[in-house]
Amino acid sequence: AQKITQTQPGMFVQEKEAVTLDCTYDTSDQSYGLFWYKQPSSGEMIFLIYQGSYDEQNATEGRYSLNFQKARKSANLVISASQLGDSAMYFCAMREIQGYSTLTFGKGTMLLVSP
Amino acid sequence: EPEVTQTPSHQVTQMGQEVILRCVPISNHLYFYWYRQILGQKVEFLVSFYNNEISEKSEIFDDQFSVERPDGSNFTLKIRSTKLEDSAMYFCASRQPTVSSYEQYFGPGTRLTVT
Repeated sequence: AQKITQTQPGMFVQEKEAVTLDCTYDTSDQSYGLFWYKQPSSGEMIFLIYQGSYDEQNATEGRYSLNFQKARKSANLVISASQLGDSAMYFCAMREIQGYSTLTFGKGTMLLVSP
Repeated sequence: EPEVTQTPSHQVTQMGQEVILRCVPISNHLYFYWYRQILGQKVEFLVSFYNNEISEKSEIFDDQFSVERPDGSNFTLKIRSTKLEDSAMYFCASRQPTVSSYEQYFGPGTRLTVT
């Protein structure tokens, strides 16, 4: 069974600073994908970034990068130059590559960005 | 940009009543999903749907739940006899049919309140 662990219930960061949100995972699958989603207070789920288990390079999308350490089974999200609009809940999720791509989510980390 | 839509945005119902949550996935997507998020908790997988049948379902998805694609555009989740613990945000998601396409596009959610 797959499992996602996010150990930080809340994080604080000042505007323009970088922040790392932790995510560790557990799976017996050789092929899998890792995701980060952002959920603002309005409730919608916004896709941020994806990392495949066989991708050799860390994924990057604008200010978001994923620090993928396969041996440690970690997939931390790094947000550079935080903005006030980054304040939200952030979820790490994993899916099997085979099958129907069901996502398993972690409990989330609430990020608050202060001026 | 195409998006997943969900109606209603908020549904209030009395315990024991039937509710139908509606979703319109992105038009060329063939994999459809329902997820649930109880307030303050993580997002949980309910069911996936492909080729007009359920492909996977979680333990949460018991006999009280059903899904249907009644026409070429809508994808519905029905709860036959709602319970207080069904109160949650329900997200619909869809995905393209290609192996290389990994991202699930989420709708804005329907907040279900059972009183």
